[in-house]
Amino acid sequence: DTGVSQDPRHKITKRGQNVTFRCDPISEHNRLYWYRQTLGQGPEFLTYFQNEAQLEKSRLLSDRFSAERPKGSFSTLEIQRTEQGDSAMYLCASSSRLAGGLRTDTQYFGPGTRLTVL
Amino acid sequence: QKEVEQDPGPLSVPEGAIVSLNCTYSNSAFQYFMWYRQYSRKGPELLMYTYSSGNKEDGRFTAQVDKSSKYISLFIRDSQPSDSATYLCAMSARLGQNFVFGPGTRLSVLP
Repeated sequence: DTGVSQDPRHKITKRGQNVTFRCDPISEHNRLYWYRQTLGQGPEFLTYFQNEAQLEKSRLLSDRFSAERPKGSFSTLEIQRTEQGDSAMYLCASSSRLAGGLRTDTQYFGPGTRLTVL
Repeated sequence: QKEVEQDPGPLSVPEGAIVSLNCTYSNSAFQYFMWYRQYSRKGPELLMYTYSSGNKEDGRFTAQVDKSSKYISLFIRDSQPSDSATYLCAMSARLGQNFVFGPGTRLSVLP
């Protein structure tokens, strides 16, 4: 399977605990995005990386959230001191610039990590 | 007003019907338009991608963009029960920029 993978698929934690999620993008993709999705809503952008550089962060990304992509491959999203409002599906997507041809940067999504904060 | 609006549904149609799904948006800078399908508790799956105005067809799916009206549509012909899912529109102003998503329309195709 060469798609985007995320781990874990589900996480249940108690309020105040720290959690970390991992995303492995499609191997040749240099861009990686994190989104958050709550029930009945579309995904909301959190942050994105081009290679190892974090280029943009949403206002949604409070200082309790941190994301890294240390070697430009996989990425981690950490939430410190979780709150019940953090309960959501956390989605990762990746995209690439095509060499020649049409550049689309179309984003392909992983299955998501569903976080429940009790 | 949200940047991207979409009727949340649910929309129920009989098998074989033509389905029309729509989004409106307010940001005239959007140029790249995508439709994703999302099954329950799964990640979004890309269906269609279009740039600027015009139509694009892929099998049973047709995407239309009318930038002058800030309105995009997805048509599904010969709908199947397996098409039952939430359909999300997404758009961006620049390549590589994050997408802005609509809230999604939940579709049920009844056998």
